[in-house]
Order: sequence, then structure tokens, then C-alpha cells
Amino acid sequence: QSALTQPPSASGSPGQSVTISCTGTRNDIGGYNYVSWYQQHPGRAPRLIIYEVNERPSGVPDRFSGSKSGNTASLTVSGLQAEDEAEYYCSSFGGFNNFKVFGGGTKLTVL
Amino acid sequence: EVHLVESGGGLVQRGGSLRLSCTASGFTFDIYAMSWVRQAPGKGLEWVSLILNSGTVAYYGDSVKGRFTISRDQSSKTLFLQMNSLRADDSAVYYCARVVGMAAVGTYDFWGQGTLVTVAS
Repeated sequence: QSALTQPPSASGSPGQSVTISCTGTRNDIGGYNYVSWYQQHPGRAPRLIIYEVNERPSGVPDRFSGSKSGNTASLTVSGLQAEDEAEYYCSSFGGFNNFKVFGGGTKLTVL
Repeated sequence: EVHLVESGGGLVQRGGSLRLSCTASGFTFDIYAMSWVRQAPGKGLEWVSLILNSGTVAYYGDSVKGRFTISRDQSSKTLFLQMNSLRADDSAVYYCARVVGMAAVGTYDFWGQGTLVTVAS
């Protein structure tokens, strides 16, 4: 069982927006601004798309945005495109006993 | 361009050992902390271990503590994971990742393609 809770699936039509939630506790998401999001296509390595809650690495489209409220972080994908169909994982610093905790992943389907 | 290439995976008997390697290129290896993350077939990501850039301090997830050892060789720009007393639930794709920022809370910004470890029961 993953430390962070994500919905198993999400979907949207091309051009629409979709938001994926990631719920933790005050010991991880709620306690630190070190939330990251990763995109993973089948058979590929995870790719960083959001770090430190709402920062985007260079090369990541601004259609991807992140936010946090209390113990829950969110990833919003705006203007959905076919290539956005992938698995998305959230992660957070989990304290000095468990440095990095992950969510179970959300399969995003572009209808 | 940052490049991480894992190797050393394969089929091993329960209770056996395996040593994974991750060869880095395209960046100054010895100024970054590095980490191993694994993914069991069809499952999510699980943090395994982290080593600071100096190589002198390392941290482990509870599920591998006492069985796995992370290390690095700065001269060859290689990260290692020595895995002993392997169990069926260690079967996974093992990724190495570069850590940017403060090591403990850092962001895993680049990942290798992974190497598959299968522990036969």
C-alpha cells in the first residue's frame, strides 16, 4: 500500500482540463513543500514534470501545473493532448525515516 | 545531455545476491546525490536508497535496510546497489535517479531506463 493516495484513474477529452489529487499526511505533503509529479509512459522511465509543488523543469509545457492545500497536492493538465495519456505519480519528502514516498499512480486516459 | 544507464539485473534465486550498476554521463557526477527507486511489475514506485554526493552517507527504505548497500565510484561515475538475501518481493525494475537540490529533500530530475531484477521463488 502506497504512502500517498491517488485515484487509480482519470480521464478527459482533448482540449479539456483534468486534475489529479494526491493525499498524504502532515508528516509528508502537509509538512513540506517538496512535492513532485512524474509522468510515465508504458515501458519508459518516469519523467519529472513538477517539483517543489508548482515548479516546472525546463522543457515541460506550461499546460502542467501543480498546487497544494493542506495534506493534498494536485496536478492539473490543461488543454489535454493525446500524448498526455500516461501514468502519473506524486511523491513527497516523507521525513528522515522515509525520505521519499510515492503515490500509487493515476492512469490518465485521453478520450 | 544527462544520461544514466543501469545494468546488472537478471534472474536470481531467493536468498541470492546481485549487484546493480548505474553509469552516469553528461554531468559532474560527484556533486550530486544519487538514488535507487524500484517498481514491481504493474505496481507503483518505491524508494529504495539514497547516497550523498560524498559517498560517505547513505539512507535506506525499511524494506531493504540491512540487506542492500548503496555505494558509488566517483572515478568511473558509477552508482552501485549491492542486493543480498533477495526475496520474491524484491522483483522489480530498478531505476537510478539523479538528485538535485538538498539531498534529503531533493528532486529526482533524471532517471535511467531501469534494469529488471527477478527473484525466483
